[in-house]
Amino acid sequence: KAGVTQTPRYLIKTRGQQVTLSCSPISGHRSVSWYQQTPGQGLQFLFEYFSETQRNKGNFPGRFSGRQFSNSRSEMNVSTLELGDSALYLCASSLSGQGIETQYFGPGTRLLVL
Amino acid sequence: AQSVTQPDIHITVSEGASLELRCNYSYGATPYLFWYVQSPGQGLQLLLKYFSGDTLVQGIKGFEAEFKRSQSSFNLRKPSVHWSDAAEYFCAVGASGGYNKLIFGAGTRLAVHP
Repeated sequence: KAGVTQTPRYLIKTRGQQVTLSCSPISGHRSVSWYQQTPGQGLQFLFEYFSETQRNKGNFPGRFSGRQFSNSRSEMNVSTLELGDSALYLCASSLSGQGIETQYFGPGTRLLVL
Repeated sequence: AQSVTQPDIHITVSEGASLELRCNYSYGATPYLFWYVQSPGQGLQLLLKYFSGDTLVQGIKGFEAEFKRSQSSFNLRKPSVHWSDAAEYFCAVGASGGYNKLIFGAGTRLAVHP
């Protein structure tokens, strides 16, 4: 079974632009979570989607948003990019979204904001 | 508030030596605990998890971890380290009511000397 895939793998943007990252979960998985990883703040939870609904959100500004499609694929969007948004963005999927489950992570999208 | 502490930022061991990475958590109820490993430029790979039951859990690549409620710890161990184990290791706890929200420790970077 194919793992979690994320596209693109690398991205360079300038301040003020917006960006959309994509995540395809493991086949059959219905829950998708997003995390931001930076050297200073470590791994931080962004949000989680299940059945096209955002169920949980981390402590990030409204510039960070996401959505999930009926096939469980998910996208996250960051508007008005800031230098501090440079990070590795990781997507994780789990099977049924019931409580705490084992999450499987993708390789990440590395975003550089100039 | 829930939290995870990994006291050691960097650890260096010789190949063939034993390894123990420390993890302490703060959580009110029975925690859902995970260890993940991240190689440079990669996503997170699950090593093992503890949800309930036997407090000594076995994982992949010869790793094991022991849940000790009295010490609020979930330390990762390996009897004999291989050069390929050099990576960063993250301990995580599932947040209560968090729908797959994981709270991560800051990570321990492991270096292996030949």
